[in-house]
Amino acid sequence: DTEVTQTPKHLVMGMTNKKSLKCEQHMGHRAMYWYKQKAKKPPELMFVYSYEKLSINESVPSRFSPECPNSSLLNLHLHALQPEDSALYLCASSGYQTRGETQYFGPGTRLLVL
Amino acid sequence: GQQVMQIPQYQHVQEGEDFTTYCNSSTTLSNIQWYKQRPGGHPVFLIQLVKSGEVKKQKRLTFQFGEAKKNSSLHITATQTTDVGTYFCAGTYNTDKLIFGTGTRLQVFP
Repeated sequence: DTEVTQTPKHLVMGMTNKKSLKCEQHMGHRAMYWYKQKAKKPPELMFVYSYEKLSINESVPSRFSPECPNSSLLNLHLHALQPEDSALYLCASSGYQTRGETQYFGPGTRLLVL
Repeated sequence: GQQVMQIPQYQHVQEGEDFTTYCNSSTTLSNIQWYKQRPGGHPVFLIQLVKSGEVKKQKRLTFQFGEAKKNSSLHITATQTTDVGTYFCAGTYNTDKLIFGTGTRLQVFP
């Protein structure tokens, strides 16, 4: 099973809302990633978790809060977002956080902030 | 910071024509990966190149890694409508982070 699942598929939220994005993989991968992708742009790395610990935070605003409850789950908590945060949020996983590891992407959550 | 540029940005071809996208880095890459993203979809891993001058083939797709490990290319022979999508190269330098190229959007007309 090389599948990464993400919920919800679509999310519309106001700037005062609190919501969470969820990601799950059952491939036994020890590294999980959050990316943000704007239309017609490449994915941009936000966070990396390795062995359930945050290892990379790409200077992401604090209104985005990641959480890794266990080795299979990754959450992204959203609070007080801005309209410019509207994008496709992609979760990915890889065996390990090392160079050359293939990353498997989930289908993404399309977020619209009003 | 490191940037990976791809050209062309867009390419429209008639079905059956060949297509090539080029990926360029200003500094030496440790390795390079290629991903395909269909319209409305997510990136899907195609291949990884590690060695200088490496060439790999997958059916109609040919991938090359430059001798200096600063550039790479993806060539598709006899395109089909199923090849439509955006092709991203993604490289790593001396860290674990994958840096995505700017992407080339391919449209194939039947």
